[in-house]
Amino acid sequence: GDSVTQMEGPVTLSEEAFLTINCTYTATGYPSLFWYVQYPGEGLQLLLKATKADDKGSNKGFEATYRKETTSFHLEKGSVQVSDSAVYFCAGMDSSYKLIFGSGTRLLVRP
Amino acid sequence: GAVVSQHPSRVICKSGTSVKIECRSLDFQATTMFWYRQFPKQSLMLMATSNEGSKATYEQGVEKDKFLINHASLTLSTLTVTSAHPEDSSFYICSVPGTHKNIQYFGAGTRLSVL
Repeated sequence: GDSVTQMEGPVTLSEEAFLTINCTYTATGYPSLFWYVQYPGEGLQLLLKATKADDKGSNKGFEATYRKETTSFHLEKGSVQVSDSAVYFCAGMDSSYKLIFGSGTRLLVRP
Repeated sequence: GAVVSQHPSRVICKSGTSVKIECRSLDFQATTMFWYRQFPKQSLMLMATSNEGSKATYEQGVEKDKFLINHASLTLSTLTVTSAHPEDSSFYICSVPGTHKNIQYFGAGTRLSVL
């Protein structure tokens, strides 16, 4: 079945550092891909998405490009802030609109 | 503002009691809603798909008699954890597909602690 694999955390960075969180997917087709963010004690919020190959999702300085050739959707941000500290989930959506989540990556940004 | 309202946000109960969690779609009608479970420091696992006016569809390994789902209207789905035990303690989250079904909106979650 479909699956999503993302790098394990925690990832600890200093403020203004560059962020990459890797995500790869395995699917029979080409699912829509998402990054969700979960702040402490809260539910999930959609951060960005891409629905087809070569699409680039972007929001709040975060970007991810849907790479068909490498089946990847890595999350990047050029300069992280303390307020970006959260857990980030990569997810793929199958043909029945079910979301399949990666294991989550905790990001801690230090001042 | 919030698109999905989930209540309660936190509940503590005694072992053997039942707990009901509500998920309301505030902005649009939802014939389908999803229920997820998240263990500490782990990912979300889909438990079931709630279908308005019909039976819920449960994922493999999820006990339907343990986790009762009712989707009585186009804006409300409920999850009842029956005869809760400490191993049922977890974070339960619902989601609602938007107008464009490939976007889901999540509730804030319910943290269940069974003593």
